[in-house]
Amino acid sequence: QKEVEQDPGPLSVPEGAIVSLNCTYSNSAFQYFMWYRQYSRKGPELLMYTYSSGNKEDGRFTAQVDKSSKYISLFIRDSQPSDSATYLCNLGAGSYQLTFGKGTKLSVIP
Amino acid sequence: NAGVTQTPKFRILKIGQSMTLQCTQDMNHNYMYWYRQDPGMGLKLIYYSVGAGITDKGEVPNGYNVSRSTTEDFPLRLELAAPSQTSVYFCASSNKRAVPPPGNTIYFGEGSWLTVV
Repeated sequence: QKEVEQDPGPLSVPEGAIVSLNCTYSNSAFQYFMWYRQYSRKGPELLMYTYSSGNKEDGRFTAQVDKSSKYISLFIRDSQPSDSATYLCNLGAGSYQLTFGKGTKLSVIP
Repeated sequence: NAGVTQTPKFRILKIGQSMTLQCTQDMNHNYMYWYRQDPGMGLKLIYYSVGAGITDKGEVPNGYNVSRSTTEDFPLRLELAAPSQTSVYFCASSNKRAVPPPGNTIYFGEGSWLTVV
């Protein structure tokens, strides 16, 4: 089993839909949970981060972590065409060794 | 705001050729990284540097070399290019390493698309 599993999609939704993006992981040493957004032909940029189990909200985005199930999610409410991008989960351990998921390509259709 | 700048943006190499991907950052960051991203795959760390004169191998270093003579620059050298090195390469930098956000954020360049034929 790979350390981090992320469904690569692609995922296509209509504008206004709620989007759920997910990653599972096997290494219980992961302590930091981040989501990066990568627009086409651009570098990734940090979107959200969290350290603890539970939800963290930022505008239309909610990051959710369930350490007991080793499962993290990113929810996007009222999705917009400008949200069309690839979303990569990124998990860090104590020495800040980072492991990226494969990324999920999201298309929001007007 | 320049941030992390990579050149070239696109390059086609023939098998066995060599080339250098250039990376420079203007944020005075100590830490710099090179990643490669293959289609449908996540980012894999090739090499990283914690400061001028100090470099270390990442997850997939074979076939690559780096140097860090200044804080600003971190070039990636491909020797004897192979088709397996066809990928998108991202340079990144951060002001710290062993600290997660918000104390530290990794900034990525826009990528260099390399094809080896």
